[in-house]
Amino acid sequence: QSALTQPASVSGSPGQSITISCTGTSSDVGSYNLVSWYQHHPGKAPKLIIYEVTKRPSGVSSRFSGSKSGNTASLTISGLQAEDEADYYCCSYAGLIAYAVFGGGTQLTVL
Amino acid sequence: QLQLQESGPGLVKPSETLSLTCTVSGGSTSSSSYYWGWVRQSPGKGLEWIGSIYYNGNTHYNPSLKSRVTISVNTSKNRFSLRLNSVTAADTGVYYCARHGGAVDFDSWGQGTLVSVSS
Repeated sequence: QSALTQPASVSGSPGQSITISCTGTSSDVGSYNLVSWYQHHPGKAPKLIIYEVTKRPSGVSSRFSGSKSGNTASLTISGLQAEDEADYYCCSYAGLIAYAVFGGGTQLTVL
Repeated sequence: QLQLQESGPGLVKPSETLSLTCTVSGGSTSSSSYYWGWVRQSPGKGLEWIGSIYYNGNTHYNPSLKSRVTISVNTSKNRFSLRLNSVTAADTGVYYCARHGGAVDFDSWGQGTLVSVSS
């Protein structure tokens, strides 16, 4: 099972919006509405920010939103803030055998 | 508030077995609503799911690690464990334990523990 494909890095200025893509296959992202996204500040525990493609856990800012089209899921962060600078990972359910697969991660830089 | 805490040796010799335990507080490993899993991050790399266990002992493992991994749960002590055998330097990294529901909703994580494989 290969990792989901994410851009290595993205950047944006405060106040702008950015989108991070997460490309899988018809065996994972394309087959299930079970994609989650995590924000990871180095040295800290990852934090769930989106689950089941579009849902936000309680307490997560509405500036974070998720979507999916075909084999590609996307995370959009609007109104960028300095505190959003972190690594972001997607994760998809991949069936009973492979079960869970993460993306390679995207480093977000707030300019 | 749910808390997870990893514990175990920080240094393991090549070819030996890595053993970690995750102690859960503020929640129960007997819950039928969640799986309990292990995720790692090797230096300079992304997150990698290792495997997960349900309260009744049902397990799912990453196919690339399946031959070397065993995850077990002790509901009476409210903890679950990871064993990874025949380790090499490639198994060096930060190991996280986490709770997940809804298949891949890892909603609570431990702080992570660094395990180095070296002689």
